[in-house]
Amino acid sequence: EVQLVESGGGLIQPGGSLRLSCAASGFAVYSDYMTWVRQAPGKGLDWVSIIYSGGSTYYADSVKGRFTISRDISRNTVYLQMNNLRAEDTAMYYCARDLAGTRGDAFDIWGQGTVVTVSA
Amino acid sequence: SSELTQDPAVSVALGQTVRITCQGDSLRSYFPSWYQQKPGQAPMLVLYGENIRPSGISDRFSGSRSGNTASLTITGSQAEDEADYYCNSRDSSGHHLVFGGGTKLTVL
Repeated sequence: EVQLVESGGGLIQPGGSLRLSCAASGFAVYSDYMTWVRQAPGKGLDWVSIIYSGGSTYYADSVKGRFTISRDISRNTVYLQMNNLRAEDTAMYYCARDLAGTRGDAFDIWGQGTVVTVSA
Repeated sequence: SSELTQDPAVSVALGQTVRITCQGDSLRSYFPSWYQQKPGQAPMLVLYGENIRPSGISDRFSGSRSGNTASLTITGSQAEDEADYYCNSRDSSGHHLVFGGGTKLTVL
């Protein structure tokens, strides 16, 4: 079965760090684009970061310089290292597979999400 | 522009047709994708590319794009279609993605 399972969320103080994990099964994370999307409580979807199959990475301006996306091929897992966290980073964080191609992006597989709360 | 604009809320009578729109300059260059999200659930892909439905998505869902506007059309709206709908596309740089603000669909 093709699925994604996120973990690593929790309550963290402002300025702290967390590493989110997204374990994939049924496909190889290195063969597809993988992305992180977040959703603050009661708000809409907010794109965070993407890692291409070739390894290139891109970030939303709001997290650039603080967050780092990476992957471990042996563990078939994608990570989001989040440093210098702010209250506005509080959200449900989802990872998703992106079937990027000539027909554009398509996040076809989503995890169940992991909650990050940044509060003193 | 890196923004995608959606109407915050739309309503439709049961069995009728509704169109949800998404506007943004980047849509002239990049295909949109559309996501349905119900309360407490992860988003679900319902449409992408020119008008491609993933396996398992009802053919009541269809899409179109003209100029800077993309549309998601639901024909014969059902109660289970009540949800938030989000469009997504690339921004003008081509490397960043962006979501519209979302449209809350109410089926009356």
